[in-house]
Amino acid sequence: GQQVMQIPQYQHVQEGEDFTTYCNSSTTLSNIQWYKQRPGGHPVFLIQLVKSGEVKKQKRLTFQFGEAKKNSSLHITATQTTDVGTYFCAALGVNDYKLSFGAGTTVTVRA
Amino acid sequence: NAGVTQTPKFQVLKTGQSMTLQCAQDMNHEYMSWYRQDPGMGLRLIHYSVGAGITDQGEVPNGYNVSRSTTEDFPLRLLSAAPSQTSVYFCASSGRWGYTFGSGTRLTVV
Repeated sequence: GQQVMQIPQYQHVQEGEDFTTYCNSSTTLSNIQWYKQRPGGHPVFLIQLVKSGEVKKQKRLTFQFGEAKKNSSLHITATQTTDVGTYFCAALGVNDYKLSFGAGTTVTVRA
Repeated sequence: NAGVTQTPKFQVLKTGQSMTLQCAQDMNHEYMSWYRQDPGMGLRLIHYSVGAGITDQGEVPNGYNVSRSTTEDFPLRLLSAAPSQTSVYFCASSGRWGYTFGSGTRLTVV
């Protein structure tokens, strides 16, 4: 599987502010996926990116895949208390069945 | 449509005991996998299967066995439990749109 580094590990956000979490790999990726895990819950699939430079939006969430397909980002605008949880990126390498997860960014929100 | 079902939800084992974590999916997915989640380490792949009769090792396979006799079921066996295997275990299956995870098994080995 691919090694993916995710930063930051923790993100403390004031409600209404924006933040970004980043995912980086040293090798070219086949695709990258993002998951959200609420406290005490299980990971839930958010989105998959497969094309170089791809940008996808889900309401206040914007996902981007780098031009070289080695990095990705998740940007959340106007953070709400419902955004609390851990966001994971996960990557498939080229010709690789194994999905490797980053360590996650745990988000807390101050009301 | 139940998705991915894991049992049990909680388990306490004594060191040296064996047990099987059950995982079943009803989405006819060929690919299934087991992950363990430990604080600050994300999810680490234990074993995976690309179809009935085919399994392979992931990142942390030692101490675990799997088999895949049907498309639906993918049990994970702990051969001789150790405290280092205290963790949350997730089973997942993969379709066209990402992985679907079960609700997890919280295992404590004392």
